[in-house]
Amino acid sequence: AQKITQTQPGMFVQEKEAVTLDCTYDTSDPSYGLFWYKQPSSGEMIFLIYQGSYDQQNATEGRYSLNFQKARKSANLVISASQLGDSAMYFCAMREGSKRRAAGNKLTFGGGTRVLVKP
Amino acid sequence: DSGVTQTPKHLITATGQRVTLRCSPRSGDLSVYWYQQSLDQGLQFLIQYYNGEERAKGNILERFSAQQFPDLHSELNLSSLELGDSALYFCASSVALASQNSYNEQFFGPGTRLTVL
Repeated sequence: AQKITQTQPGMFVQEKEAVTLDCTYDTSDPSYGLFWYKQPSSGEMIFLIYQGSYDQQNATEGRYSLNFQKARKSANLVISASQLGDSAMYFCAMREGSKRRAAGNKLTFGGGTRVLVKP
Repeated sequence: DSGVTQTPKHLITATGQRVTLRCSPRSGDLSVYWYQQSLDQGLQFLIQYYNGEERAKGNILERFSAQQFPDLHSELNLSSLELGDSALYFCASSVALASQNSYNEQFFGPGTRLTVL
Protein backbone atom coordinates (compact mmCIF):
# COMPACT_ATOMS: atom_id res chain seq x y z
CA ALA A 1 0.00 0.00 0.00
CA GLN A 2 1.16 3.51 -0.79
CA LYS A 3 2.29 5.34 2.29
CA ILE A 4 2.04 8.77 0.71
CA THR A 5 -0.53 9.51 -1.97
CA GLN A 6 -0.72 12.63 -4.06
CA THR A 7 -3.72 12.24 -6.30
CA GLN A 8 -3.19 15.29 -8.48
CA PRO A 9 -0.51 14.62 -11.10
CA GLY A 10 -0.73 18.17 -12.39
CA MET A 11 -2.68 21.38 -12.10
CA PHE A 12 -2.90 24.90 -13.41
CA VAL A 13 -3.40 27.90 -11.18
CA GLN A 14 -3.89 31.53 -12.06
CA GLU A 15 -1.27 33.95 -10.79
CA LYS A 16 -2.25 35.57 -7.46
CA GLU A 17 -4.79 32.84 -6.68
CA ALA A 18 -4.48 30.21 -3.97
CA VAL A 19 -3.93 26.54 -4.73
CA THR A 20 -4.32 23.44 -2.58
CA LEU A 21 -2.20 20.36 -3.17
CA ASP A 22 -3.55 17.14 -1.73
CA CYS A 23 -1.59 14.63 0.29
CA THR A 24 -2.84 11.62 2.20
CA TYR A 25 -0.67 9.30 4.19
CA ASP A 26 -0.84 5.93 5.83
CA THR A 27 0.94 5.00 9.02
CA SER A 28 0.23 3.16 12.24
CA ASP A 29 3.01 5.01 14.04
CA PRO A 30 1.65 7.65 16.46
CA SER A 31 4.76 9.76 15.99
CA TYR A 32 5.57 11.03 12.53
CA GLY A 33 6.47 14.13 10.61
CA LEU A 34 5.12 15.42 7.34
CA PHE A 35 7.16 17.53 4.93
CA TRP A 36 6.54 19.36 1.72
CA TYR A 37 9.32 19.94 -0.80
CA LYS A 38 9.40 21.96 -4.00
CA GLN A 39 11.39 20.82 -7.01
CA PRO A 40 11.75 23.45 -9.74
CA SER A 41 12.83 22.52 -13.24
CA SER A 42 16.45 23.01 -12.19
CA GLY A 43 16.10 19.84 -10.11
CA GLU A 44 17.00 20.84 -6.57
CA MET A 45 14.75 19.90 -3.67
CA ILE A 46 13.67 22.87 -1.59
CA PHE A 47 12.11 22.36 1.84
CA LEU A 48 8.86 24.28 2.31
CA ILE A 49 7.07 23.29 5.50
CA TYR A 50 6.91 20.71 8.27
CA GLN A 51 4.09 19.35 10.43
CA GLY A 52 4.65 17.06 13.38
CA SER A 53 1.98 14.55 14.32
CA TYR A 54 1.70 16.00 17.81
CA ASP A 55 1.61 19.62 16.73
CA GLN A 56 -1.59 21.25 17.91
CA GLN A 57 -1.67 23.93 15.25
CA ASN A 58 -1.38 23.80 11.50
CA ALA A 59 2.05 24.82 10.25
CA THR A 60 2.53 28.05 8.33
CA GLU A 61 5.59 29.45 6.55
CA GLY A 62 5.01 32.66 4.69
CA ARG A 63 2.69 31.92 1.77
CA TYR A 64 2.68 28.22 2.59
CA SER A 65 0.31 26.65 5.06
CA LEU A 66 -0.49 23.08 5.84
CA ASN A 67 -4.06 21.90 6.35
CA PHE A 68 -3.43 19.01 8.72
CA GLN A 69 -6.39 16.72 9.36
CA LYS A 70 -5.02 13.94 11.50
CA ALA A 71 -8.16 11.82 11.68
CA ARG A 72 -8.40 11.83 7.92
CA LYS A 73 -4.64 11.33 7.54
CA SER A 74 -4.31 14.24 5.19
CA ALA A 75 -1.76 17.03 5.04
CA ASN A 76 -2.68 19.35 2.21
CA LEU A 77 -0.40 22.19 1.21
CA VAL A 78 -1.97 25.56 0.53
CA ILE A 79 -0.02 28.12 -1.46
CA SER A 80 -1.57 31.56 -1.25
CA ALA A 81 -1.15 34.35 -3.79
CA SER A 82 0.56 32.14 -6.37
CA GLN A 83 3.55 33.55 -8.22
CA LEU A 84 5.09 32.52 -11.51
CA GLY A 85 8.09 31.21 -9.58
CA ASP A 86 5.83 28.70 -7.83
CA SER A 87 5.68 26.64 -11.02
CA ALA A 88 7.36 23.38 -10.00
CA MET A 89 6.86 19.82 -8.80
CA TYR A 90 5.70 19.55 -5.22
CA PHE A 91 6.34 16.50 -3.10
CA CYS A 92 4.75 15.44 0.14
CA ALA A 93 6.91 13.23 2.35
CA MET A 94 6.61 11.45 5.67
CA ARG A 95 9.12 10.48 8.29
CA GLU A 96 7.85 7.84 10.67
CA GLY A 97 9.03 7.92 14.23
CA SER A 98 9.45 4.20 14.73
CA LYS A 99 11.49 3.15 17.71
CA ARG A 100 13.11 0.44 15.61
CA ARG A 101 16.70 1.45 15.05
CA ALA A 102 16.64 0.07 11.51
CA ALA A 103 13.86 2.46 10.57
CA GLY A 104 16.26 5.38 10.64
CA ASN A 105 14.92 8.75 9.61
CA LYS A 106 14.16 8.10 5.98
CA LEU A 107 11.63 10.16 4.12
CA THR A 108 8.94 8.38 2.10
CA PHE A 109 7.79 10.53 -0.80
CA GLY A 110 4.59 10.74 -2.75
CA GLY A 111 4.52 10.80 -6.52
CA GLY A 112 4.39 14.58 -6.68
CA THR A 113 2.09 17.21 -8.17
CA ARG A 114 3.23 19.46 -10.98
CA VAL A 115 1.95 23.01 -10.62
CA LEU A 116 1.96 25.49 -13.47
CA VAL A 117 1.14 29.08 -12.62
CA LYS A 118 -0.46 31.02 -15.47
CA PRO A 119 0.07 34.78 -15.82
CA ASP B 1 22.01 26.97 -1.50
CA SER B 2 21.33 24.20 1.04
CA GLY B 3 24.97 23.83 2.06
CA VAL B 4 25.07 20.22 0.84
CA THR B 5 27.44 19.68 -2.06
CA GLN B 6 27.43 16.84 -4.54
CA THR B 7 29.91 15.98 -7.24
CA PRO B 8 29.82 15.47 -10.10
CA LYS B 9 26.74 17.31 -11.27
CA HIS B 10 26.41 15.15 -14.35
CA LEU B 11 27.81 11.73 -15.15
CA ILE B 12 27.49 9.82 -18.39
CA THR B 13 28.78 6.29 -18.54
CA ALA B 14 28.22 2.95 -20.21
CA THR B 15 26.49 -0.19 -19.04
CA GLY B 16 28.65 -2.44 -16.92
CA GLN B 17 30.76 0.41 -15.59
CA ARG B 18 31.27 1.57 -12.02
CA VAL B 19 30.89 5.13 -10.74
CA THR B 20 31.29 6.96 -7.45
CA LEU B 21 29.09 9.83 -6.37
CA ARG B 22 30.35 12.12 -3.66
CA CYS B 23 28.46 14.14 -1.07
CA SER B 24 29.59 16.66 1.53
CA PRO B 25 26.95 17.38 4.17
CA ARG B 26 26.26 20.76 5.71
CA SER B 27 28.74 21.80 8.33
CA GLY B 28 27.78 20.15 11.60
CA ASP B 29 25.37 17.63 10.13
CA LEU B 30 26.06 14.06 11.19
CA SER B 31 23.41 12.23 9.19
CA VAL B 32 23.66 11.64 5.45
CA TYR B 33 20.94 10.15 3.28
CA TRP B 34 20.96 8.98 -0.32
CA TYR B 35 17.87 9.07 -2.51
CA GLN B 36 17.27 8.04 -6.10
CA GLN B 37 14.79 9.84 -8.33
CA SER B 38 13.76 8.10 -11.53
CA LEU B 39 10.80 8.47 -13.83
CA ASP B 40 9.36 5.04 -13.10
CA GLN B 41 10.21 4.69 -9.40
CA GLY B 42 9.85 8.28 -8.24
CA LEU B 43 11.88 9.43 -5.24
CA GLN B 44 13.18 6.50 -3.23
CA PHE B 45 15.30 6.29 -0.13
CA LEU B 46 18.44 4.25 -0.57
CA ILE B 47 20.51 4.42 2.60
CA GLN B 48 21.29 6.54 5.67
CA TYR B 49 24.52 6.98 7.59
CA TYR B 50 24.90 8.60 10.95
CA ASN B 51 28.33 9.62 12.19
CA GLY B 52 30.05 7.00 10.09
CA GLU B 53 27.72 4.12 10.74
CA GLU B 54 24.98 2.72 8.55
CA ARG B 55 21.67 3.62 10.14
CA ALA B 56 18.96 2.47 7.75
CA LYS B 57 18.64 0.79 4.39
CA GLY B 58 15.93 1.24 1.84
CA ASN B 59 15.52 -0.08 -1.67
CA ILE B 60 19.23 -0.18 -2.40
CA LEU B 61 20.44 -2.75 -4.89
CA GLU B 62 23.26 -5.11 -3.99
CA ARG B 63 25.27 -3.54 -6.83
CA PHE B 64 25.18 -0.27 -4.90
CA SER B 65 27.14 0.50 -1.78
CA ALA B 66 27.86 3.55 0.30
CA GLN B 67 30.02 4.73 3.14
CA GLN B 68 30.51 7.75 5.33
CA PHE B 69 34.04 8.78 6.13
CA PRO B 70 35.47 10.23 9.36
CA ASP B 71 35.19 13.75 7.94
CA LEU B 72 31.48 12.95 7.41
CA HIS B 73 31.48 13.13 3.64
CA SER B 74 29.81 10.20 1.95
CA GLU B 75 30.24 8.27 -1.26
CA LEU B 76 27.72 6.18 -3.15
CA ASN B 77 29.25 3.51 -5.35
CA LEU B 78 27.24 2.12 -8.22
CA SER B 79 28.63 -0.89 -10.07
CA SER B 80 27.68 -3.10 -13.02
CA LEU B 81 25.54 -0.24 -14.20
CA GLU B 82 22.38 -0.91 -16.15
CA LEU B 83 20.25 1.38 -18.29
CA GLY B 84 17.65 1.44 -15.52
CA ASP B 85 20.13 3.00 -13.12
CA SER B 86 19.87 6.28 -14.99
CA ALA B 87 18.42 8.69 -12.48
CA LEU B 88 18.99 11.77 -10.37
CA TYR B 89 20.78 10.82 -7.17
CA PHE B 90 20.31 13.11 -4.21
CA CYS B 91 22.27 13.34 -1.04
CA ALA B 92 20.64 14.97 1.96
CA SER B 93 21.91 15.75 5.42
CA SER B 94 20.45 16.54 8.81
CA VAL B 95 21.89 17.58 12.13
CA ALA B 96 21.22 14.41 14.04
CA LEU B 97 18.63 11.75 14.42
CA ALA B 98 15.01 12.71 14.75
CA SER B 99 13.57 11.96 18.11
CA GLN B 100 9.89 11.83 18.76
CA ASN B 101 8.09 14.77 17.24
CA SER B 102 11.29 16.58 16.36
CA TYR B 103 11.81 18.60 13.25
CA ASN B 104 15.21 17.47 12.00
CA GLU B 105 14.78 18.76 8.49
CA GLN B 106 16.75 17.09 5.75
CA PHE B 107 18.64 19.48 3.46
CA PHE B 108 19.10 18.23 -0.07
CA GLY B 109 22.06 18.69 -2.32
CA PRO B 110 21.67 19.65 -5.98
CA GLY B 111 21.87 16.04 -7.11
CA THR B 112 24.00 14.06 -9.53
CA ARG B 113 22.34 13.20 -12.79
CA LEU B 114 23.55 9.80 -13.93
CA THR B 115 23.00 8.69 -17.51
CA VAL B 116 23.86 5.12 -18.42
CA LEU B 117 24.15 4.50 -22.16
